[in-house]
Amino acid sequence: GEDVEQSLFLSVREGDSSVINCTYTDSSSTYLYWYKQEPGAGLQLLTYIFSNMDMKQDQRLTVLLNKKDKHLSLRIADTQTGDSAIYFCAETSYNTDKLIFGTGTRLQVFP
Amino acid sequence: SAVISQKPSRDICQRGTSLTIQCQVDSQVTMMFWYRQQPGQSLTLIATANQGSEATYESGFVIDKFPISRPNLTFSTLTVSNMSPEDSSIYLCSVEKVRRTSVNEQFFGPGTRLTVL
Repeated sequence: GEDVEQSLFLSVREGDSSVINCTYTDSSSTYLYWYKQEPGAGLQLLTYIFSNMDMKQDQRLTVLLNKKDKHLSLRIADTQTGDSAIYFCAETSYNTDKLIFGTGTRLQVFP
Repeated sequence: SAVISQKPSRDICQRGTSLTIQCQVDSQVTMMFWYRQQPGQSLTLIATANQGSEATYESGFVIDKFPISRPNLTFSTLTVSNMSPEDSSIYLCSVEKVRRTSVNEQFFGPGTRLTVL
């Protein structure tokens, strides 16, 4: 089946930028998503990008997509302690409308 | 958006017993889903809960083990039957409202953390 991979942990200092990376194998992806899961809460959709775009910016969030390399990243500018959470990338494709999730990256922000 | 609640939030159960998890949404939704999130792993879709008909199960999941009900457009239950320690996981309910574009935007409940001894 299709695979979505992420590194497990990222630790950054408050005020720095965070970059969370994701790779996927499905060449027929339509949309790629970033979800955030705070402790004890459900996943929350942060942003998404259509597969024919290469960048999307939304306030402190910047999504970069390299379709050739099947690489997606989420950059969080001026990272705050409230950004500490698990971040999941996910994709849907022309083959299936189902969300395929990565393993999640735990972001820890320290003062 | 949608506000989703799940009961129970967590439970510790004995091997061989069953647990029913409830999912309640604050508004009518077209699609409801059940996911499993095993420790250190990604979310895996168990099934789509269909209103008024049998759920649609993904490969590797069967109705006898994970019976699902969806009596109306705001409520669904997932039962984990004849539990074993391998069923220890977080179970998440999600919903999709009316789809106006091809973006698959789902809203998730807080999850039910299940530990089987």
